[in-house]
Amino acid sequence: DAKTTQPNSMESNEEEPVHLPCNHSTISGTDYIHWYRQLPSQGPEYVIHGLTSNVNNRMASLAIAEDRKSSTLILHRATLRDAAVYYCILRAQGAGTALIFGKGTTLSVSS
Amino acid sequence: NAGVTQTPKFQVLKTGQSMTLQCAQDMNHEYMSWYRQDPGMGLRLIHYSVGAGITDQGEVPNGYNVSRSTTEDFPLRLLSAAPSQTSVYFCASRKSTGELFFGEGSRLTVL
Repeated sequence: DAKTTQPNSMESNEEEPVHLPCNHSTISGTDYIHWYRQLPSQGPEYVIHGLTSNVNNRMASLAIAEDRKSSTLILHRATLRDAAVYYCILRAQGAGTALIFGKGTTLSVSS
Repeated sequence: NAGVTQTPKFQVLKTGQSMTLQCAQDMNHEYMSWYRQDPGMGLRLIHYSVGAGITDQGEVPNGYNVSRSTTEDFPLRLLSAAPSQTSVYFCASRKSTGELFFGEGSRLTVL
C-alpha cells in the first residue's frame, strides 16, 4: 500500500488559514487522496477527497500537486473547533479497498 | 438520520470473557469496517466487509471474528478477551463515492 507522510503536529491561530501538508511519493495513478479529522473523544470525520484536480467543499480545500506526489489540506479560517488530528490517506480504486490510517497531524489552534 | 450506531459505548470485561460489539448503519452502504484505536495512535483496521456474506481481514485481525448476514449489521466478536484488546473500537460504513462514516466508538477495558 502506498504510504503518506505528515508532520506530527502543527500550530495555528484562530481566524488564520492553515495548510496541512502530506507527502505520498509512491502514489499510484488510481489512488484517491482522502482527508479525515478526529476531534478529541470522537470518531473520525470525513473532510474531503480528490484524485487529480483541486477540490473544494464547505469544510476545506484540497490542493493536489501536478505530479500527485504531495497534497495540502487548506482550512481557510481556523477556528478553535478545528483543533483535531488530521489524517491523509490513500485509497486505491475498487469496492474491496480499505483505508489504512497513519498517525496524522495534530493541529492546535490558539485564540 | 442515525448514521452508524455502535453499542455498547462502554464495556468492562475480565480476561477470557467473550463479547460482541454491535454496529448498525441505516445508509444502505455495502462496505463496512472495524478499527481499533489505542492511546496516542492512529486507527488500525481489524476486519472489513464489502457486502452481505463477504468479510476480509485487515491489519490486526487476530482475536476477533466478524460476520455480515445483512447489509445493515456488522458485529465484531471478541472470542476470549485479553488485556491487549483494551482499546476504543470504531465501526465505519462507506458511501459508494468513497467517504467513510464512523460511529461514536465503543470503549472496551479488559482486566
